[in-house]
Amino acid sequence: GAVVSQHPSWVICKSGTSVKIECRSLDFQATTMFWYRQFPKQSLMLMATSNEGSKATYEQGVEKDKFLINHASLTLSTLTVTSAHPEDSSFYICSATGVANTGELFFGEGSRLTVL
Amino acid sequence: LAKTTQPISMDSYEGQEVNITCSHNNIATNDYITWYQQFPSQGPRFIIQGYKTKVTNEVASLFIPADRKSSTLSLPRVSLSDTAVYYCLVGYSGGYQKVTFGTGTKLQVIP
Repeated sequence: GAVVSQHPSWVICKSGTSVKIECRSLDFQATTMFWYRQFPKQSLMLMATSNEGSKATYEQGVEKDKFLINHASLTLSTLTVTSAHPEDSSFYICSATGVANTGELFFGEGSRLTVL
Repeated sequence: LAKTTQPISMDSYEGQEVNITCSHNNIATNDYITWYQQFPSQGPRFIIQGYKTKVTNEVASLFIPADRKSSTLSLPRVSLSDTAVYYCLVGYSGGYQKVTFGTGTKLQVIP
């Protein structure tokens, strides 16, 4: 099956710094990528939808200036958490759909962010 | 968007068949039903997808009644490694423009 890779898998940063998480589709072109965050023992919460070459669409309540999403190519989307604070500590997961649109979502392994 | 409802948790003994039902009353004509499995600190993993009737693969079966307002994931002879959270998602196969996750079902397999 198609592979989506996230990097880094975990990151620890100081409060006030920015952190970038990459999401790559390794063997297919991802026309649409989704970013989720997941707190312990909770379900995945959709943060934003990004289509290659256009601005991301953010869900209500998600600050677009804090969570910068870039989808500059068909194989790469990035999520930058700007001026991170401890409450931003979470598990961030990306998923992608391909050009062929089989209807299946391909998920990355997730990235654990801890803000000190 | 079709909202899904699942039991919060289930327990099962090893070797038993487990059936997890998902309710999706406002499923649209073009929507497919997909089930995912998630282990702690990992991204969800695809299990099975279907549109109607029954679909079977090497790990599970998916039963969808004629009205498609619900679906049942069947896991045959579960093992301890099947302990995970299972999510059903409903979306259009032509493009998951906006897929939201429900609560999922936490399956605990007991020795």
